[in-house]
Amino acid sequence: DIQMTQSPSSLSASVGDRVTITCRASQTITSYLNWYQQKPGKAPKLLISTASSVQGGVPSRFSGSGSGTDFTLTISSLQPEDFATYYCQQSYSPPWTFGQGTKVEI
Amino acid sequence: EVQLVESGGGLVQPGGSLRLSCAASGFTFSNYWMHWVRQAPGKGLVWVSRINGDGSATHYADSVKGRLTISRDNTQNTLYLQVNSLRAEDTAVYYCARVLVGGTRDMDVWGQGTTVTVSS
Repeated sequence: DIQMTQSPSSLSASVGDRVTITCRASQTITSYLNWYQQKPGKAPKLLISTASSVQGGVPSRFSGSGSGTDFTLTISSLQPEDFATYYCQQSYSPPWTFGQGTKVEI
Repeated sequence: EVQLVESGGGLVQPGGSLRLSCAASGFTFSNYWMHWVRQAPGKGLVWVSRINGDGSATHYADSVKGRLTISRDNTQNTLYLQVNSLRAEDTAVYYCARVLVGGTRDMDVWGQGTTVTVSS
């Protein structure tokens, strides 16, 4: 199975900060890497697919990059509604696997 | 409106069984792979299983193979997950999600989740 490792596991940031979360795959996944945002008690929400394609309705402050094994999610200017847990997920081969999550806190 | 609505969760004793359902609406159900993802209390997301558009292909996480069975009824636009021999570690919120056949392999719509609690 492909292992997904996110870092950091949690971070504290302030409104307006630039935030970067990394995700590393245990083998190449080309660009089959998705990012999800989850708020407490809610279902995950797709933010970015295929490493860098921002979903419709997602603010432009969110961006993704990377290919192969190393990927990054960047929030250019953190807003109050962005405090949540973020997960990467590979869809290169089954079983699809998620990273352990990164909790973004105030 | 595109929607997925899970049901069927509840409190069940160890060793028991449950069938979870996921009702789809607002899109052509058979055009999508359907997935189950679970989340234990306070833990991260774990992919569980998937089924292709016509139900002819299924995949499972190693941790649940042999105890879980995914299926679908395209006439009823409903996805199912049969969970047998339940263990405490199966306690989780179970989400269904869709993935477009031939698309970018992302789960773009999720249900609200149904909670399974395994306890005596």
